[in-house]
Formats: sequence, structure tokens, C-alpha cells
Amino acid sequence: QKEVEQNSGPLSVPEGAIASLNCTYSDRVSQSFFWYRQYSGKSPELIMSIYSNGDKEDGRFTAQLNKASQYVSLLIRDSQPSDSATYLCAASKYGNKLVFGAGTILRVKS
Amino acid sequence: EAQVTQNPRYLITVTGKKLTVTCSQNMNHEYMSWYRQDPGLGLRQIYYSMNVEVTDKGDVPEGYKVSRKEKRNFPLILESPSPNQTSLYFCASSVVPVAGTEAFFGQGTRLTVV
Repeated sequence: QKEVEQNSGPLSVPEGAIASLNCTYSDRVSQSFFWYRQYSGKSPELIMSIYSNGDKEDGRFTAQLNKASQYVSLLIRDSQPSDSATYLCAASKYGNKLVFGAGTILRVKS
Repeated sequence: EAQVTQNPRYLITVTGKKLTVTCSQNMNHEYMSWYRQDPGLGLRQIYYSMNVEVTDKGDVPEGYKVSRKEKRNFPLILESPSPNQTSLYFCASSVVPVAGTEAFFGQGTRLTVV
């Protein structure tokens, strides 16, 4: 079992819809969770971080964390074609080690 | 401009020929790390450094070496590259020594070992 698992997709949503990206993690000692966006051929960029249970909102993005279920999600409201990318979920433990999922491909169709 | 710079961007080499991929950041970050990215496997941490002269292994350190003699530089060394080290490599740095706040990634180095 991978430490951080994501559905590889692709997830296709129409423009203006809500895109929902999901991630599960296996190690309960994981403390911090992150979502990165990676455009094809480019480097990852951090878009959201979440450390405690509940929701965290930043513009069109909402990260959700449920430590009891070991589940992290990212909602993208009003999806735009420019949101089409691979979204990487990552978990950090012990403050140093960062473990990434394989990523979910998101396609927003205009 | 704040940035992490990797060189080279593309490299084709032969098995066993030692190579170094350089990484430099201009933000005075303490934390730096190296990742490799392979299809279906995502990003895997190779080595990280909490500060000058402080380095530690990540998930896939075999076949790699690093050094941190200066705060701004964190080179990745492949002493004897093999074809299974063909991959896309990223260097990253962080303003605080917490792995997850890696706000800055380098442009990536695509390495092919034949």
C-alpha cells in the first residue's frame, strides 16, 4: 500500500463546475498535508496546506482534512480551463519527510 | 527574483559516468531537498538538508550523494549512474525547515542514462 494514494484520473469537469480531488494516507503520524499543482513539463507549485481537521479556504480552493478517516480533499470552485493540470497530494511527518501521491490529472472542458 | 536554479535542464549520459546536477537558491532558505519524478510513482524524496553540513536520506537515496557546504547550494551527485536513474529530478527549497512548506521548486532536470 502506498503511503499517499490518489486516483490517477483523468477527472473531467465542465468549465464553471466544482472539481473534487481526493487523497488518502496510510500513516496516522502524518501531521501536515499539502496540495501542489503541476502543469505538464513544469515544476510543482504549492497551492494549499492544511494542518488540522476541517476546511481551509483560499479563493476558489478549499482543502478538507479528516484525520480520523485519513482523508484529504481539494475542491476547486468555478473550474477554469487554466486549472487543467496534475494535482499532487503530499503528507509530511516528523516535520522533515514529505511523501507525495502519484497525482490526479484534472481536465476542465470549456 | 526569488528562484531555485537547476543545471543542466537536460542531460543524456552513459552508464557509470559520474555526474553532478547543481541546485542553487537565492532566498537564504535553510531547507533544501531533491526529488525524482517517475510516471505513476509521483515525486519521491531522495535526500534533504536542514542546513549547512546537515543532510539526511529520503525515501530513495540509493545511488545518490549530496553535499551542503554552502547554504545556497545543494548538488546531487550520481557516482555511477545506471539506466534505472533515468528520471525527472527536482530540487526544492523552503523558508522554514518544515518539509511541506516547499514553496519553491527548480525547473527540473531530465536525466537519461543509456
